[in-house]
Amino acid sequence: AAGVIQSPRHLIKEKRETATLKCYPIPRHDTVYWYQQGPGQDPQFLISFYEKMQSDKGSIPDRFSAQQFSDYHSELNMSSLELGDSALYFCASSSVRTSGSSADTQYFGPGTRLTVL
Amino acid sequence: AQSVTQPDIHITVSEGASLELRCNYSYGATPYLFWYVQSPGQGLQLLLKYFSGDTLVQGIKGFEAEFKRSQSSFNLRKPSVHWSDAAEYFCAVGAGNTGKLIFGQGTTLQVKP
Repeated sequence: AAGVIQSPRHLIKEKRETATLKCYPIPRHDTVYWYQQGPGQDPQFLISFYEKMQSDKGSIPDRFSAQQFSDYHSELNMSSLELGDSALYFCASSSVRTSGSSADTQYFGPGTRLTVL
Repeated sequence: AQSVTQPDIHITVSEGASLELRCNYSYGATPYLFWYVQSPGQGLQLLLKYFSGDTLVQGIKGFEAEFKRSQSSFNLRKPSVHWSDAAEYFCAVGAGNTGKLIFGQGTTLQVKP
C-alpha cells in the first residue's frame, strides 16, 4: 500500500539559510499534519491542512510557513534557520472526508532529518 | 488542557516476558487514543487505536491496549516480548476539532536476551 512520502530524507543547512520540506500524502487523503521531533523528544504538532486550507496551528515559529497544494501535497518552508531547528520533521496524512471524523488515524511518513550547522 | 503522560521513561524486559507500558491522558471529551512505535531514526508506525466501543483493542505485532475511562488510562500490553520489539513507544491522544495528536514523552523499551 502507498505510504506518505517525504523529501528530502536528510537535509543539512547553515544557520540563517532556508529549507523546504515536502510531503506527499497517501492517495485520496485530504488532511496533512506536520510535526517536529527534537532529539530525545516526543513529536510536537506544528500545523495542519484540510482541503488546502490551514485547519490548526501549534507551536510553529513565525519563521516557518506551510501550505497544501491542489494535488494535496504540502510544503513546509523554514527561513532564517537556527541551530535549535535541527530535528526530525514528520508529515502525517489522514482522510477526514472519508471517515467523517477529524480524529481519523494519521499515517506518518519516514520524516526529514534537518541538521542546521 | 489536553496532555498525555507516560510515567516510565525506560523499561527493560527479558525476551519472552510480558510487557505493560503505561499511559495516562487528560482530555475533557471522549478521547481518541493511539499507540505508535518508533525504531531509531525511523518514522512512527501505528500499533493500535481506540475510538469507541470495546475497551480492549487489538493491534499489530501481538499488542493490545485497554481503555479505562475511570483511570484515564490506555495501557499497552504484550504477553511475550520479542527482541525485535525494542523501540520507542509513544501514546497519543487526538485533540481538538482537527485531530492533531498530542504525544506522551515516550517509553524506551529494551529487551534482554
